[in-house]
Amino acid sequence: EVQLVESGGGLVQPGGSLRLSCAASGFTFSSYWMTWLRQAPGKGLEWVANIKQHGSETYYVGSVKGRFTISRDDAKNSLYLQMNSLRVEDTAVYYCARHIGWAFDMWGRGTMVTVSS
Amino acid sequence: QSALTQPPSASGSPGQSVTISCTGTNSDVGGYNYVSWYQQHPGKAPKLMIYEVNKRPSGVPDRFSGSKSGNTASLTVSGLQAEDEADYYCSSYEGSNIIYVFGSGTKVTVL
Repeated sequence: EVQLVESGGGLVQPGGSLRLSCAASGFTFSSYWMTWLRQAPGKGLEWVANIKQHGSETYYVGSVKGRFTISRDDAKNSLYLQMNSLRVEDTAVYYCARHIGWAFDMWGRGTMVTVSS
Repeated sequence: QSALTQPPSASGSPGQSVTISCTGTNSDVGGYNYVSWYQQHPGKAPKLMIYEVNKRPSGVPDRFSGSKSGNTASLTVSGLQAEDEADYYCSSYEGSNIIYVFGSGTKVTVL
């Protein structure tokens, strides 16, 4: 079964750090661009970052540049998002997703990140 | 404020059609055929319904169709069914900043 499973979310204070993981199964992970997206409570979807096959290219939305780092380990079929200097406005459900061209055809169930004092 | 503009709501009776618009700029919707549409039911992850303006992934009913004219893309759901009631989001590649942008979402209600 083709599947993405996120983990690592939780409650963190403003200024803190968190590392999200996404475990992929059922497809050749190394062949795909992968992406992180988020959805704040009651709000719409926001693309956060993506990474090319083998990690050769990465891109970020402006609001997280310099604070978040996307990475991957193809040997472990895993995607990561290191989040530093977290802000209240980073509170959201974080989804990992697989690219099909310029769209996202498979999504995980998401992991909740809450930034609050 | 979302980069792409969608109406907040749309509705139709079972069997009718509903069309949702998604307006962007020359840097995103108008500049590339990389518009996609996602369906999201409450508490669930989004599901890809349309990609590259008008292509349907395997398993998506042909009641869902996409189109684009200039800076505005559209999603049409024909033959509305109760299970089509959900939030729908459009997305586009934005080439100036090499990012992806989303609309604010449209809640579709089946009357």
